[in-house]
Amino acid sequence: QSVLTQPPSASGTPGQRVTISCSGGSTNLGTTYVYWYQQLPGMAPKLLIYRNSQRPSGVPDRFSGSKSGTAASLAISGLRSEDEAEYYCASWDDSLSGWVFGGGTKLTVL
Amino acid sequence: QVTLRESGPALVKPTQTLTLTCAVSGSSVSTARMCVSWFRQPPGKALEWLARIDWDDDKYYNKSLETRLTISKDTSKNQVVLRMTNMDPVDTATYYCAQIQSCGGDEGLSWFDPWGQGTLVTVSS
Repeated sequence: QSVLTQPPSASGTPGQRVTISCSGGSTNLGTTYVYWYQQLPGMAPKLLIYRNSQRPSGVPDRFSGSKSGTAASLAISGLRSEDEAEYYCASWDDSLSGWVFGGGTKLTVL
Repeated sequence: QVTLRESGPALVKPTQTLTLTCAVSGSSVSTARMCVSWFRQPPGKALEWLARIDWDDDKYYNKSLETRLTISKDTSKNQVVLRMTNMDPVDTATYYCAQIQSCGGDEGLSWFDPWGQGTLVTVSS
């Protein structure tokens, strides 16, 4: 059971906008930032969003992140087939004194 | 540009100790603010943070696995080493190392980038 809760799956058609939610608690998302990682099939995770909404260089602006209280979301607009991947949210947890991840959301582009 | 590469045995037996190496290039593991973490991901499951070591040799562990983990640095080889004792089939996973960005202050302000390609470890007799 992951500390952060994500829906196991999401889907959309090319060009659509999809959102992936991440729910936490007062000791993690309620206190600090959320981070998002993209894991393409068979590959290592890759940083997608840092500090709630910042995009590293090279990440398209189709990807955006937000956080409010203990909930966060990742939005992907103009969905493309290459966006088909597993997406993980992550945060620091003060109670556990460690980093925690969501269970991952598998995004399918129909 | 920092790159990381994991290596270690593909197969270990139950009760054995696993030793994994993360070779770092593009920066010294002793450079100020250079921090490295280890993670694992069982097949088809989520990521789990395991341990962290900082440039000044401070070490931090996942409390649920703390008694089994040891993280260390080999500065002569510019590597970070993770040891996990008493391996069990449930420890079968791909193990990753990653650099921690914005390391050295509030942990909530830091993130993991880049990641190594990972190494699959199977625990079986």
